[in-house]
Amino acid sequence: EDKVVQSPLSLVVHEGDTVTLNCSYEVTNFRSLLWYKQEKKAPTFLFMLTSSGIEKKSGRLSSILDKKELFSILNITATQTGDSAVYLCAVEASGGSNYKLTFGKGTLLTVNP
Amino acid sequence: DSGVTQTPKHLITATGQRVTLRCSPRSGDLSVYWYQQSLDQGLQFLIQYYNGEERAKGNILERFSAQQFPDLHSELNLSSLELGDSALYFCASSVEGRGREQYFGPGTRLTVT
Repeated sequence: EDKVVQSPLSLVVHEGDTVTLNCSYEVTNFRSLLWYKQEKKAPTFLFMLTSSGIEKKSGRLSSILDKKELFSILNITATQTGDSAVYLCAVEASGGSNYKLTFGKGTLLTVNP
Repeated sequence: DSGVTQTPKHLITATGQRVTLRCSPRSGDLSVYWYQQSLDQGLQFLIQYYNGEERAKGNILERFSAQQFPDLHSELNLSSLELGDSALYFCASSVEGRGREQYFGPGTRLTVT
């Protein structure tokens, strides 16, 4: 059974801090790893990672994938209160023409002023 | 706003009943995915349709079924409802059959009493 484990489950920081969120996975036929941000509504797409060692960056957020060690990290620098959300990691795997997307339980990030 | 619409926003019904949730994907997207999100289970992939055909199945119960119509909108039917079916049901869409960059709708909150 495919597994995606995120850590920590929750994190409380102060504005300006840098945080690192972790996602490890065990899947068969890995295709990609995705990060989503979920505030009080639907998840919104952040990054898709398919290759090891190539950092994806968007403003203060960045992410990298290690396909050998089967994990990814999401970094947020100079955190702001608007970064408070649940961050979801999902892994896409394929089997023939089908595919499967498995989500982790998420990391709840709270950024205090 | 992701461009994915879901109706209704909220639904309250009794155990044993049947409900239908509706989703319209973003313009141009051929794939529709259904997810269930509950507090204890996190985000669970249910089923995917691509251009009218079922493409992948996740943790979907036999009491649940879905379809995608020629105009690409999709419906998720939930029958013989149980208290444990109370959850937030998301629809997402993507251009391709491989569900990488998915765009989520606002969700339908189902409460079974």
